[in-house]
Amino acid sequence: KQEVTQIPAALSVPEGENLVLNCSFTDSAIYNLQWFRQDPGKGLTSLLLIQSSQREQTSGRLNASLDKSSGRSTLYIAASQPGDSATYLCAVRGGSSNTGKLIFGQGTTLQVKP
Amino acid sequence: SAVISQKPSRDICQRGTSLTIQCQVDSQVTMMFWYRQQPGQSLTLIATANQGSEATYESGFVIDKFPISRPNLTFSTLTVSNMSPEDSSIYLCSVSRGGYNEQFFGPGTRLTVL
Repeated sequence: KQEVTQIPAALSVPEGENLVLNCSFTDSAIYNLQWFRQDPGKGLTSLLLIQSSQREQTSGRLNASLDKSSGRSTLYIAASQPGDSATYLCAVRGGSSNTGKLIFGQGTTLQVKP
Repeated sequence: SAVISQKPSRDICQRGTSLTIQCQVDSQVTMMFWYRQQPGQSLTLIATANQGSEATYESGFVIDKFPISRPNLTFSTLTVSNMSPEDSSIYLCSVSRGGYNEQFFGPGTRLTVL
């Protein structure tokens, strides 16, 4: 049974700092991995999608990496801003096809202080 | 991406009543998903709704408690029946799109049961 873990559960950094959020999963047989952002009381915004054959994806100040063999992904946020404050969720889609279910981690709540 | 709307955005309900949540997508999708996010928790998949067939429920969720309709390829409803305070959660509608099944979420419905 796939389990997804995110460390740390919460993180507070000063504005401008570069930071890394971690995601680990127990079953390396994944189809893809997705990072989301969730603002308090709101829905999820898709940030990055990495296919199992890819090593990383970049969007603006965000870079997500994937090491399937070790069951790890990281989300790197460069030059953090107060507007980046949110909960970041990692989710893996298991199996060898695009019909597998998304399994979510518990999230990392990020606070960027001005 | 996908534009997903949900109604209502929030509601406060009395124990024993039912609430129907609507989800509308901007274009046709094969599968729609309903998730629950209990306070302080991550997302849990309730069921997958396919047009023209009965919804597929995850372990721990039953049709009598969470009946789902999927009358066409852009719309679905989730009903939370005979509510109790334990049903207080955010309920999220989701769709997947594209060859890699990137998943997108609606803004959520925040339900409080008194």
